[in-house]
Amino acid sequence: ETGVTQSPTHLIKTRGQQVTLRCSSQSGHNTVSWYQQALGQGPQFIFQYYREEENGRGNFPPRFSGLQFPNYSSELNVNALELDDSALYLCASSRTDRDSYNEQFFGPGTRLTVL
Amino acid sequence: QKEVEQNSGPLSVPEGAIASLNCTYSDRGSQSFFWYRQYSGKSPELIMSIYSNGDKEDGRFTAQLNKASQYVSLLIRDSQPSDSATYLCAVVASGGSYIPTFGRGTSLIVHP
Repeated sequence: ETGVTQSPTHLIKTRGQQVTLRCSSQSGHNTVSWYQQALGQGPQFIFQYYREEENGRGNFPPRFSGLQFPNYSSELNVNALELDDSALYLCASSRTDRDSYNEQFFGPGTRLTVL
Repeated sequence: QKEVEQNSGPLSVPEGAIASLNCTYSDRGSQSFFWYRQYSGKSPELIMSIYSNGDKEDGRFTAQLNKASQYVSLLIRDSQPSDSATYLCAVVASGGSYIPTFGRGTSLIVHP
């Protein structure tokens, strides 16, 4: 167990709806990254939050947005859901500082199905 | 576009054999390299990290890094059926972003 938690485990939505996914980072970590993983693919980077600021963003449209809170937990929000948004959403926790190797540890993921 | 390439497999090996998983990357300035294991329906689990040229061993796992050839590999000795999973290679490129790029993974099947 990594100590990274995500909720909910599974979610079913319909096209056009909005969804919020949540992640609690591992104790001592200050950085959260979100990934989308489609079946048979590697995780695709959505964005990263460090000290409550967005610290990098992948090739995802603006309807994917996020937040990081003072306790380093994070939310991923997706508006106007599309069928192609169906995937496993992964949260990864890490510590960003000069002396760390920034190893990322994943939570169990949220399986989102869009109908 | 920073790329990480892996053969999707499946790689099939008999129990007790050495499984060799390979990964190439495009950014010559890449700094950090990770191997994750992902069981079907589960999230990735970090099993090895390597940062310098050469070999790094941890139990039955050995990671090998060759920056000149832009190549990183994972060897699994005495493979067990429980090692059957998808193995993801992740590479952190130069530029200080600390954001890894993942390959699509290699499926490993260890048969009894």
